[in-house]
Order: sequence, then structure tokens, then C-alpha cells
Amino acid sequence: SQQGEEDPQALSIQEGENATMNCSYKTSINNLQWYRQNSGRGLVHLILIRSNEREKHSGRLRVTLDTSKKSGSLLITASRAADTASYFCASGTYKYIFGTGTRLKVLA
Amino acid sequence: SAVISQKPSRDICQRGTSLTIQCQVDSQVTMMFWYRQQPGQSLTLIATANQGSEATYESGFVIDKFPISRPNLTFSTLTVSNMSPEDSSIYLCSVYSGARTDTQYFGPGTRLTVL
Repeated sequence: SQQGEEDPQALSIQEGENATMNCSYKTSINNLQWYRQNSGRGLVHLILIRSNEREKHSGRLRVTLDTSKKSGSLLITASRAADTASYFCASGTYKYIFGTGTRLKVLA
Repeated sequence: SAVISQKPSRDICQRGTSLTIQCQVDSQVTMMFWYRQQPGQSLTLIATANQGSEATYESGFVIDKFPISRPNLTFSTLTVSNMSPEDSSIYLCSVYSGARTDTQYFGPGTRLTVL
């Protein structure tokens, strides 16, 4: 399969809690991207972390990358009901392979 | 970021027919891609649309089933040929932003249902 793996497949948390999603990929990469998709609609680009970076922050998002383990993570802090969506990692150079995705549900 | 539009946004088609999906970008881009997202699944790369030459297909996808055109740097089409219910998916085009921002941006997708 060309896809990377994400876990968990589904995550249900209370508003205000943190959500962590993990991603593993198979090939060498320039960067790891994270996207959000609401209810089968278009993908929204969230954040990118380059292969020479280990950690990056943007607002309530924190991403990490460990190229030696071919893995990364996305942390959403202080989650809100509006964060309910599917989250995908995408790895590659100019051509990206997507992970299997995590369905996040944030309960108000 | 590039603004990407797709037509149609959705369609319901009969088995055995073909549908052509259009992707228009508001600026010239070198690299365009087509993805498929089956119900409840992640995205799978179908092919890279190359301007002026044949598309490059990923394993499991063939030109006869998914012919692609890329007549210029702002436009591409994907045809889903001889459709079956298994082709029911969302089809998305995307563009690579270039080395500076190193990001792929997506169109809104075309939701295809095959009866």
C-alpha cells in the first residue's frame, strides 16, 4: 500500500482536552504535512514540518518529526468542538502520500 | 496560496458511462496531481498530470481507466471511464506550491456516485 499509517483511527475527547495523533511513513521525505477535512469536504492545510526540523508550533498546533523513526505527531491543545474533523498526515517531496487518517470528535 | 476550482462539484452517473472532471488553477503551476478518496477512506494518489506529456500513474491506476489531460499550466482534466459502482469516490486535484512554501493545495473535490 502506498499509504502511511496514522493512529488512533478515531479519537473522542472533551472540549478543552488535548488531542494527539501519530503518523508513520515509509519513504524518505522533504517534509511532513498535516491537513484537516470536515465531513468529506476539501482539505485544509494546517502545518508543515521540514525534515531538518524536530518540532514546530502554530497557535494551538504542535507538530513533531523524527526522521530516524519515520514518524511524526500532531498535538491540538485546548480542543474545541469546531476541531471535530478528520486529520491526515502527508509525507513526501513534491508528491505526497497520505496517511490513513484520524477521525477526531470533540464533545462540547 | 493557489485558488483551485473543480467542475462538476458532484454527479450521479450510470454504470458503463464516463465522466470528465475539470480542474482550474488561478495561477501557473508546474505540478498538478489527481487523488481519489473512497468513502470513509484516506486519499490515494492516482497520477501526476504533466504539462505537454503523458501523465505519470501510480501503481494500480492505468491510463485507459483514468485518462488525464494537461494542456497548459493552469488546467487539467481527469476522466473516469467505463464507470462501475466501485468508482464512487471523491476525486480531488491538487497543485504543488513550489520549493519555497513546499505545500500541496487542494481543490474542493468532485463527489461521484455511480449507480
